Amino acid sequence: DADVTQTPRNRITKTGKRIMLECSQTKGHDRMYWYRQDPGLGLRLIYYSFDVKDINKGEISDGYSVSRQAQAKFSLSLESAIPNQTALYFCATSDPRRPNQPQHFGDGTRLSIL
Amino acid sequence: AQSVTQLGSHVSVSEGALVLLRCNYSSSVPPYLFWYVQYPNQGLQLLLKYTSAATLVKGINGFEAEFKKSETSFHLTKPSAHMSDAAEYFCAVSDGNTGANSKLTFGKGITLSVRP
Repeated sequence: DADVTQTPRNRITKTGKRIMLECSQTKGHDRMYWYRQDPGLGLRLIYYSFDVKDINKGEISDGYSVSRQAQAKFSLSLESAIPNQTALYFCATSDPRRPNQPQHFGDGTRLSIL
Repeated sequence: AQSVTQLGSHVSVSEGALVLLRCNYSSSVPPYLFWYVQYPNQGLQLLLKYTSAATLVKGINGFEAEFKKSETSFHLTKPSAHMSDAAEYFCAVSDGNTGANSKLTFGKGITLSVRP
């Protein structure tokens, strides 16, 4: 089983719909992150959470919100989806007690907004 | 704030040739640097990382990178390209103030093509 699981893996939806992308992890890591990947732009940080009570905006948070329901779960919501939010979304985790260990990434959610 | 520059969006080499993918960074604190690879329709895989130990870092699949502080560079190399190396490669720097594995800033990525 994957350590970092993203659901759904693929989603096609329409402009104006509310969408939630979910991320769950079995690694016991306190820190969780949401990134989006666009062709030619690399990955950009949307939101990050250093623990359940700590949530921070990243580089491109406009149009997104997050919820850290538990240490293991970090959800990303698009309240009213728009076409330019079509992208590949990655969740990642890290352990601050092991700072030399890299982030662990999920397999991504491919989101298309028509 | 940190940043990463990957010059060029596409590199093409012949099979067996040297692979050189360039990465320059900017960071106000000692950086932690990473190279990730993404094969078509797959997620990210860590190739190697620099976390202030040896400046020459060896990674998986025969790749290595050298941290050069004076040049603010962390270029990725492989002596002999293989067809299976065709992928997109990302350089990333982490926020050194909150740990090597903290929030990452990625470059725009370089697509590597390998010609038979």
